[in-house]
Amino acid sequence: DIVMTQSPDSLAVSLGERATINCKSSQTLLYNSNNKNYLAWYQQKAGQPPKLLISWASTRESGVPDRFSGSGSGTDFTLTISSLQAEDVAVYYCQQYYSSYTFGQGTKLEIK
Amino acid sequence: QVQLVESGGGVVQPGGSLRLSCAASGFTFSNYPLHWVRQAPGKGLEWVAVISYNGRKDYYADSVKGRFTISRDNSKNTLFLQMNSLRAEDTALYYCARGPNILWWIDYWGQGTLVTVSS
Repeated sequence: DIVMTQSPDSLAVSLGERATINCKSSQTLLYNSNNKNYLAWYQQKAGQPPKLLISWASTRESGVPDRFSGSGSGTDFTLTISSLQAEDVAVYYCQQYYSSYTFGQGTKLEIK
Repeated sequence: QVQLVESGGGVVQPGGSLRLSCAASGFTFSNYPLHWVRQAPGKGLEWVAVISYNGRKDYYADSVKGRFTISRDNSKNTLFLQMNSLRAEDTALYYCARGPNILWWIDYWGQGTLVTVSS
């Protein structure tokens, strides 16, 4: 089974500053036949279901603000929020869909 | 708009059974794979099961294989999860969710239904 490990577990960032969340998989998520990384990012605000932010490691979902970006390939991935807004307080999860499905343990993002 | 509404949660004793339902609307139900994902209180997300658009293929997490069965009724736009031999560690909020394709990401989620396994 593919294990997904996020870092850090929690993060406090000042408004307007950059927030960076990392996600590492125990094996590659890059499918050579189509050169796509089978990784998604979700945002879960308190009391709400998760919301899809990014698929294929870097493709932003329609309606997601462009301050959210995803990067990385193979086994190492990053979610970056370029300028933190108050409404971005949430828990963020990465998920692999290369082989079955596995979520990372989550990263709690707060305002400093 | 896409809507997924779960029902059927409740309190059940260890070893008992429960059947969850998910009523879908706002999209062509029979075109999409559907998932169950759970979240224990205060914990992270755990994928449980997925079923293909036509119900012919299903996949399960190791933690529920042999105890849970996912199914769907495309004539009624409804997804099900039959849960048998329930354990305390199955206590969680169970989300119904849609994927754009089998073995791709999840694009829409319901609000969840709470299952509590306790004596």
